[in-house]
Amino acid sequence: AQSVTQLDSQVPVFEEAPVELRCNYSSSVSVYLFWYVQYPNQGLQLLLKYLSGSTLVKGINGFEAEFNKSQTSFHLRKPSVHISDTAEYFCAVPEGGNTPLVFGKGTRLSVIA
Amino acid sequence: DADVTQTPRNRITKTGKRIMLECSQTKGHDRMYWYRQDPGLGLRLIYYSFDVKDINKGEISDGYSVSRQAQAKFSLSLESAIPNQTALYFCATSDHPGELFFGEGSRLTVL
Repeated sequence: AQSVTQLDSQVPVFEEAPVELRCNYSSSVSVYLFWYVQYPNQGLQLLLKYLSGSTLVKGINGFEAEFNKSQTSFHLRKPSVHISDTAEYFCAVPEGGNTPLVFGKGTRLSVIA
Repeated sequence: DADVTQTPRNRITKTGKRIMLECSQTKGHDRMYWYRQDPGLGLRLIYYSFDVKDINKGEISDGYSVSRQAQAKFSLSLESAIPNQTALYFCATSDHPGELFFGEGSRLTVL
C-alpha cells in the first residue's frame, strides 16, 4: 500500500519569496498524485494533480508540482508567494489501485508580510 | 448552494451520547467518503462507499458506523461518543479515484 510523507510540518516564508513544499510517496509504480489546499476554517480543495503525461503540472493560484519517479517525489512550488497563500497543504495518493486517497500529515505554510 | 453539504457544522456533546453527522451531495457522484482531521495527523479515512450497496471500512473505523441512504446521502454515526473522537470530520465525493470534492467539515467536541 502507498504512503505519503510530507517532510515539513511548518514552512514560514516572506511574502514574494519562493517556496517549495516537499512530498515523497512510498512506491515507484505508476501513481496518481494530488495536492490539496485547506484555507483557514474551510474544507479542502484540489490544487493540482498528476495522472499521466508531462511531469510538470500546473495548478491554481500559480502553484506547480513536478513528478519525479526516480526519487518518488511530487514537490509543490510557487515562485512568489502572497499573504493569501497562507494555508495548510496536503499531498495525497491512492492507497493502491481503485482505492481512496491516503493523505500526508500536511504542511502549514505561513506567509509573512 | 454547496456541492457537498455537511450537517451539523459544529456540535458539542457528552461522553456516551449517540451522534450522527450527515452529508449530502449534488455532484451526482457514486463515491462518498468520511475522513477525520486531527492536528498534525492529516486526514484519516473512516469509511467509504463506492455505490449505494457498497460500504467499506477505512483506516480508523472502530467506534464509527455509516449508512448510505441514497446516492446523494452518506451519514456517519458515533454510537457512544468518547473524548478522543473530538475532531474535524469531512465528507467527500468523487466520480473516480482521486479528485475528491470536500464539504466544509463538521467540528465535533466530546466532553
